[in-house]
This record gives sequence, structure tokens and C-alpha cells, in this order.
Amino acid sequence: QQQVKQSPQSLIVQKGGISIINCAYENTAFDYFPWYQQFPGKGPALLIAIRPDVSEKKEGRFTISFNKSAKQFSLHIMDSQPGDSATYFCAASFKAAGNKLTFGGGTRVLVKP
Amino acid sequence: DAGITQSPRHKVTETGTPVTLRCHQTENHRYMYWYRQDPGHGLRLIHYSYGVKDTDKGEVSDGYSVSRSKTEDFLLTLESATSSQTSVYFCAISASTGTDEQYFGPGTRLTVT
Repeated sequence: QQQVKQSPQSLIVQKGGISIINCAYENTAFDYFPWYQQFPGKGPALLIAIRPDVSEKKEGRFTISFNKSAKQFSLHIMDSQPGDSATYFCAASFKAAGNKLTFGGGTRVLVKP
Repeated sequence: DAGITQSPRHKVTETGTPVTLRCHQTENHRYMYWYRQDPGHGLRLIHYSYGVKDTDKGEVSDGYSVSRSKTEDFLLTLESATSSQTSVYFCAISASTGTDEQYFGPGTRLTVT
């Protein structure tokens, strides 16, 4: 049972373009939604996170949009750069479950120069 | 990698042999987690620990056991390795449920032949 569904599986964007990755969740108890960035051969690195009491959070070129009623959240990468080429994972957790993360399947992003 | 080391980084073993992976942290964080990463599945939780000698099962715990005798060390044991356990294993740490943030180690690539 996949509680967090992520799309697309892969994405190609031109340098300077916008990358958009979407996630949908099922468990309404989730109260923390992080995004992780992973480069080949490395562990996932926390990129940005949001809680359901806000609809948007921005950090530099990265923005999370959150729609509680639709149970969806998305990552937008503005002005995409070749260095952003990586795999991105959305995840969700809730305190009552010990903050165990449930991950989406991942999106491989390639930014072409 | 937030003061997290994993050993070994790579291991090849034969079906039926026991294998132990080690996660060591220098952050004195309370929570520790073991995930496995497989293509298309993102990361899935195997076991986690919420304190010394306090552990619990995750989503894919069958065939795995864990132990935590010290705050800084969390061991994952494959009691009798199978080919389906070929994967990349990541350890993560979190300070407490209040912060939610999890930080990942560099991973161990395990191949079971």
C-alpha cells in the first residue's frame, strides 16, 4: 500500500525553466511533509519541508505548495540549473507514529544546459 | 551527512549468510532509523529506535532485526540474507519528535548473490 504517490517518475527541463513534481497522500494524520534531494551515490538530503497549517513555503529557488483539501503537495524548482539534476523524493510523517517517514517513489530530474 | 557514518559502505555476500550493518552517529540524537532504497519504491522503513534498547518494526521488517545498546550505534542484522535483500540501506537520525527533521547517512550498498 503506497500511501504517498509521486509523479512524474522522470523529468527533463531546460536550464532556467521550472521543474514541478507532484505528490498525493492518503493518510490525513500526516502533519509533516519534507522533500529530499539525492545525488548518485549519496544519501538523501533534506531540501525543504512544510506543515499543513500553511499553503506555501519558499526557500530560495525551491517552493512547496500544499493543498490540504486535495491531499496534495508539490515542489517547484524555479530557474532550474544543471546542478539541480538529481532525484527528488517527497515524504510524509506524523508525530504519533514516531515521525516515521513514508516516501514517494522518487522523480529523476535532468536539467539540460 | 550530519555526523552519521555507516559501515561497511559496500558488501557482497552469499545467500543464507548473516550480515550486520552498522550506523554510528555523533549527534547524540534520540531517534534512529533504517531504510532500504529500491528503484521505484523510494525509501521504505525497516526498523526504528526511539531510545537505547527501544526499537520497533517498520513497513518491511521481515528478515531483519536491530539492536541499539548505545545512543550512538544502531545495528541492522539480516539473519539469513536472501537475494531480495539486495538493496541500498540508509540510516537516518532525528533529534526528537518535536523537530521532525531526519538526516541520512551515506548508505551501504549490499549485494546478495
